[in-house]
Amino acid sequence: QVQLQESGPGPVKPTQTLSLICSVSGASITSDDHFWSWIRHLPGKGLEWIGYISDRSLTFYNPSLRSRVTISLDTSKSQFSLKLTSVTAADTAVYYCARGRYLVDSRGYRSYAMDVWGQGTTVTVSS
Amino acid sequence: EVVLTQSPGTLSLSPGERASLSCRASQSIVSSQLAWYQQKPGQAPRLLMYGSSTRATGIPDRFSGSGSGTDFTLTITRLEPEDFVVYYCQQYDTSPYTFGQGTKVEIK
Repeated sequence: QVQLQESGPGPVKPTQTLSLICSVSGASITSDDHFWSWIRHLPGKGLEWIGYISDRSLTFYNPSLRSRVTISLDTSKSQFSLKLTSVTAADTAVYYCARGRYLVDSRGYRSYAMDVWGQGTTVTVSS
Repeated sequence: EVVLTQSPGTLSLSPGERASLSCRASQSIVSSQLAWYQQKPGQAPRLLMYGSSTRATGIPDRFSGSGSGTDFTLTITRLEPEDFVVYYCQQYDTSPYTFGQGTKVEIK
């Protein structure tokens, strides 16, 4: 059974860097066509896709966050991480990691979806 | 950016009734790149449907999806007590991969 678990240092002060780790178990982090993703749930605003890193370490970010985001892979620890620089209160959210991959739908098409999610971790940005 | 608008924001129904949730895109998207998620309070979203109409593993057949172009629908026949939660659509056709704002299904 594939499981993902987020971990992080807790509260972050404005202008600092938010750092989170997602630990993956039950699946190889280097499996073909897997896209290890970060998503956040902003209070009162809904879900926002942050970006992903592929099994080949190719990254793809939300343009609105690209200048501040880095997602990286640590294959030796079966983990991937998120760094978000220069945080403000607007970055306060529940942060989720998830596995994205292509699934074959009922019509035979390759359909992308995030099929396994971590439980989420709350990050509060406050001085 | 593709904006996904879900309606209604809140749907008030009784157990056993049928629910129809709408997801409308600001531009046409490939139907194979539209997914639906269910989120229960305090939990992570769970994949319900992918390719707009294919149920994910373990999802009961009272859930179905349909649609193409800009209009997509999630239908829940015979609502069960555990179905009264929040549902999101998401598109993977165009970056950034955007979510709708969610529809809450509540007990009437």
